[in-house]
Amino acid sequence: EDQVTQSPEALRLQEGESSSLNCSYTVSGLRGLFWYRQDPGKGPEFLFTLYSAGEEKEKERLKATLTKKESFLHITAPKPEDSATYLCAVQAVSGYALNFGKGTSLLVTP
Amino acid sequence: DVKVTQSSRYLVKRTGEKVFLECVQDMDHENMFWYRQDPGLGLRLIYFSYDVKMKEKGDIPEGYSVSREKKERFSLILESASTNQTSMYLCATVSPGEDTQYFGPGTRLTVL
Repeated sequence: EDQVTQSPEALRLQEGESSSLNCSYTVSGLRGLFWYRQDPGKGPEFLFTLYSAGEEKEKERLKATLTKKESFLHITAPKPEDSATYLCAVQAVSGYALNFGKGTSLLVTP
Repeated sequence: DVKVTQSSRYLVKRTGEKVFLECVQDMDHENMFWYRQDPGLGLRLIYFSYDVKMKEKGDIPEGYSVSREKKERFSLILESASTNQTSMYLCATVSPGEDTQYFGPGTRLTVL
C-alpha cells in the first residue's frame, strides 16, 4: 500500500532561518511526487512536480529534491509570507489518484 | 491559468438533507476529483471521473455519489447528510498530458 509520511508536523522558524521539510514515501512505481502549499481555509496551491531520483526544482526561496525514498523541500531565508501548510503527495504509475501526506505546518516569525 | 471554481465557500446543512457540491473547470479537462480534508487525516479521495458519465470510487466513497453530465462540471452529492460529513471538500482537475492536479478554493461544509 502506498504511504506518505511528512515530518516534522509543525515547524517554527525565525525569518531568514533556512530549514528543510521531509516527505518519505513508499509507492509501487512512482509516477510523480508533488508539493503543494495550502493557506488556512483555501485549496492547495501547486508548487512542484518531481518524476525521478536526482531531480531538483526551484521557485523563489523553495527548492524541492527527490531520492528513491524521500523528497525534501528546502526553504532558504524564509519570510513570514512563507507561513503555510506544505503538502506532499505521490502518484503511482498504476492510477490517477494522489496519495497525500498529512502536511507540515510552517510558521515563520519576523 | 487553470481555473477551478466551487459553488460555495461555506455551507451549513441539517442532518438528513440532500446536499449538492458543484465544481466547474474552464479548461476542457477530462479528469476531475473530489477530496475531503480533515484535521489529522489529510486529504482523502472520495471519487474521481475520467470522462463524462464515467466515475471511479476513491478511498472513502461511502455516503457519497457523483454526477458528471458535462465535461466541465463534476458534482458531489450527499444523499442524506450526517454530522460526520462535516469537512472541507476540495475539487481538483488535471490538464491533458499533465499529471498535476489543480485545486479549487474548497467548500467548508458543516452538518448540524
